[in-house]
Amino acid sequence: EAEVAQSPRYKITEKSQAVAFWCDPISGHATLYWYRQILGQGPELLVQFQDESVVDDSQLPKDRFSAERLKGVDSTLKIQPAELGDSAMYLCASSLYIENRATEAFFGQGTRLTVV
Amino acid sequence: GQNIDQPTEMTATEGAIVQINCTYQTSGFNGLFWYQQHAGEAPTFLSYNVLDGLEEKGRFSSFLSRSKGYSYLLLKELQMKDSASYLCAVRDDPPSKRDDKIIFGKGTRLHILP
Repeated sequence: EAEVAQSPRYKITEKSQAVAFWCDPISGHATLYWYRQILGQGPELLVQFQDESVVDDSQLPKDRFSAERLKGVDSTLKIQPAELGDSAMYLCASSLYIENRATEAFFGQGTRLTVV
Repeated sequence: GQNIDQPTEMTATEGAIVQINCTYQTSGFNGLFWYQQHAGEAPTFLSYNVLDGLEEKGRFSSFLSRSKGYSYLLLKELQMKDSASYLCAVRDDPPSKRDDKIIFGKGTRLHILP
């Protein structure tokens, strides 16, 4: 069964260091999302791609976060410098784009980030 | 703006029925999703409603009323493995079709007692 792949599963980093997460969506899924989920909260959308283009990054803290999907397939989310408040689960999801609409999102297992 | 409300926690007994409500306010609307999320795991898709009415899928059913901005997830014959968080999510569909996005509520943590 096709899955969204994410790595690493867990990451511990010191504050002020740089950290990067990688996501490979389900093959053929044009829409890719990065969400951040703090313990006990729902996922918060950070950035949404349609193929290689960013269609929404209004909630992405652009002073320290960046995201790219250069060839419209896999994607990288980077934080530099990391802050203590960035500790969270970072979830990648993907969906098909049919008749000008994204279908349901399928999630990867996430990367749990701890900043110390 | 966007606002999705659901109860923070609920408790129910094994074998019983529970209904988890969700109300939403979004600038555009093109469907509502329910996801299940076990602790430490990724959300998994349960259901999708775009038209008013009830969609049944085994022990789980989901209802939508677009005029009231309201949905519920109904879980029947509860099992211990149903202990999880249940996330209501709305596809916010602004005029620019490429910008539709899926917005999540904070989730309802469901505890099942034996």
